[in-house]
Amino acid sequence: GNSVTQMEGPVTLSEEAFLTINCTYTATGYPSLFWYVQYPGEGLQLLLKATKADDKGSNKGFEATYRKETTSFHLEKGSVQVSDSAVYFCALTPWAGSYQLTFGKGTKLSVIP
Amino acid sequence: KAGVTQTPRYLIKTRGQQVTLSCSPISGHRSVSWYQQTPGQGLQFLFEYFSETQRNKGNFPGRFSGRQFSNSRSEMNVSTLELGDSALYLCASSGGGQGAERLFFGSGTQLSVL
Repeated sequence: GNSVTQMEGPVTLSEEAFLTINCTYTATGYPSLFWYVQYPGEGLQLLLKATKADDKGSNKGFEATYRKETTSFHLEKGSVQVSDSAVYFCALTPWAGSYQLTFGKGTKLSVIP
Repeated sequence: KAGVTQTPRYLIKTRGQQVTLSCSPISGHRSVSWYQQTPGQGLQFLFEYFSETQRNKGNFPGRFSGRQFSNSRSEMNVSTLELGDSALYLCASSGGGQGAERLFFGSGTQLSVL
């Protein structure tokens, strides 16, 4: 079956540090890949997505590239802010139009001033 | 435009009881999905409904069931509650027919089973 593995953290960074959260996946066919973010006390929000190999998703300074050869979708941000403190989830759907998400366990990020 | 509304926000039940959770999707959305979030298992897909029909179901026992009404509101029911059912239950709705990239999540119902 499909699965997603991501570094579980927690990760603590100083403001303006570089962020990488690793994510790898196992899936057959042509999955779509996502990063979701969950801020304290709030629901999940889509951060970015990529639907085919070599696509780069980006939003709010975050980026991730769909790498089929390494089955990876690592999340990066060049300079984190305190407001980026949240839990980040890597996820996939088996095909582009599916609503059935398979999630990684989540990575808690804390950014300190 | 109102977001996805889940009620109640918190619930406390005892083992063996049953519980019903409610989800009101964004106006005009016809797809509703449910997820269970626990510290141990993370986020797991329960089921998805579209126009009152269950289209997909995750790997959960039959104690977990759901339904969708003609106004797209959805309920999920858990019968014979177990301690392990303690979790945050998230509902998500979509109306665009473009899959998960158009999913909007509610804030969830926190269920505690004692």
